[in-house]
Amino acid sequence: GNSVTQMEGPVTLSEEAFLTINCTYTATGYPSLFWYVQYPGEGLQLLLKATKADDKGSNKGFEATYRKETTSFHLEKGSVQVSDSAVYFCALSGVNFGNEKLTFGTGTRLTIIP
Amino acid sequence: EAGVTQFPSHSVIEKGQTVTLRCDPISGHDNLYWYRRVMGKEIKFLLHFVKESKQDESGMPNNRFLAERTGGTYSTLKVQPAELEDSGVYFCASSQVRGGITGELFFGEGSRLTVL
Repeated sequence: GNSVTQMEGPVTLSEEAFLTINCTYTATGYPSLFWYVQYPGEGLQLLLKATKADDKGSNKGFEATYRKETTSFHLEKGSVQVSDSAVYFCALSGVNFGNEKLTFGTGTRLTIIP
Repeated sequence: EAGVTQFPSHSVIEKGQTVTLRCDPISGHDNLYWYRRVMGKEIKFLLHFVKESKQDESGMPNNRFLAERTGGTYSTLKVQPAELEDSGVYFCASSQVRGGITGELFFGEGSRLTVL
């Protein structure tokens, strides 16, 4: 079955540091890949996505590239801010149209200190 | 536009009691999902409604869990009787089918359930 493995947390960085959160997956076929983020006191929200190999998703300075050869979708940001403190979830979905059934990783808690 | 809302935000009950969680999806969204995150582990799929019909309930852990979606609007998830291992955060999400293209899931803030 499908599975997602992401970097264990928590991760603590100083403001303006470079961020990488690793994510690898196992899936049949050609899934879509996502990063969701949960800020304190809020629901999960989509951060970025990629629907096919070599696609790069980007949003709010974050980027992730769909690498089929390494089955990875690592999240990166060049200069993090305190407001980026949140829990980040890597996820994939199958190819059933109209069914966004997601398989999630365990989540990585990120704390940015000023 | 209102987002996905869930109630209650936190419920504390004793083992053997019953709890009902409610989810109001975004208006017009036919797809409604329930997910659960237990003890800091991964978020796991429970079930999927399309309007009032259960499309996929393969993730429901056992028959102590009952989900309904009256009239294809709001949904409830009842746990009866609750066990200690049911503790966790229950997320609801909704989405709109758009020509068969994988769309975005919109999540609520979650309902935290603590079973003592």
